Amino acid sequence: EPEVTQTPSHQVTQMGQEVILRCVPISNHLYFYWYRQILGQKVEFLVSFYNNEISEKSEIFDDQFSVERPDGSNFTLKIRSTKLEDSAMYFCASRGDHNTEAFFGQGTRLTVV
Amino acid sequence: AQSVTQPDIHITVSEGASLELRCNYSYGATPYLFWYVQSPGQGLQLLLKYFSGDTLVQGIKGFEAEFKRSQSSFNLRKPSVHWSDAAEYFCAVGPYNTDKLIFGTGTRLQVFP
Repeated sequence: EPEVTQTPSHQVTQMGQEVILRCVPISNHLYFYWYRQILGQKVEFLVSFYNNEISEKSEIFDDQFSVERPDGSNFTLKIRSTKLEDSAMYFCASRGDHNTEAFFGQGTRLTVV
Repeated sequence: AQSVTQPDIHITVSEGASLELRCNYSYGATPYLFWYVQSPGQGLQLLLKYFSGDTLVQGIKGFEAEFKRSQSSFNLRKPSVHWSDAAEYFCAVGPYNTDKLIFGTGTRLQVFP
């Protein structure tokens, strides 16, 4: 069964460092997303990406964040200068077209120390 | 404002007992509704979805949910819970194109033998 794959599963980084979270969406999917879940809180939408550009972003997704689909298969989330409050589980998701559900990856747990 | 409310933070049931997890939503347009399950250390797995049609939808693992527009609810049910159902359950709502899901805070299910 096709699945969304995220790497790494856990990343520890020092405050102020740049991190790149990687995702391989399901092949042939068109829409891509990043969500995050701070420990003990709800899953929150960060950004949606379609046709090689951001289609929508939340207020959380400030200038420190960026997304890219560099090679047609990977979908990355970059945090330029991490803060302690960026510590969370980050989920990548993808979906095929309208009226289909999003499939989520296993998540990357980011710990900023 | 768009929101999803899961009133029960934590539910404990005995194995074999029936289960109902509550979900209420506030959404301006016709909602698309989802239930996702997150097992410890795992990602989000779709249990079931409602887009249109029959308001009682069947999902995986023996779960079902009923959409009640008049009550703005989409409660999840299972007639007989198994120990492996212990997990966190998230209700989510989205627009017709299923972009930007809004999640509830989740209900943690504990199952006693």
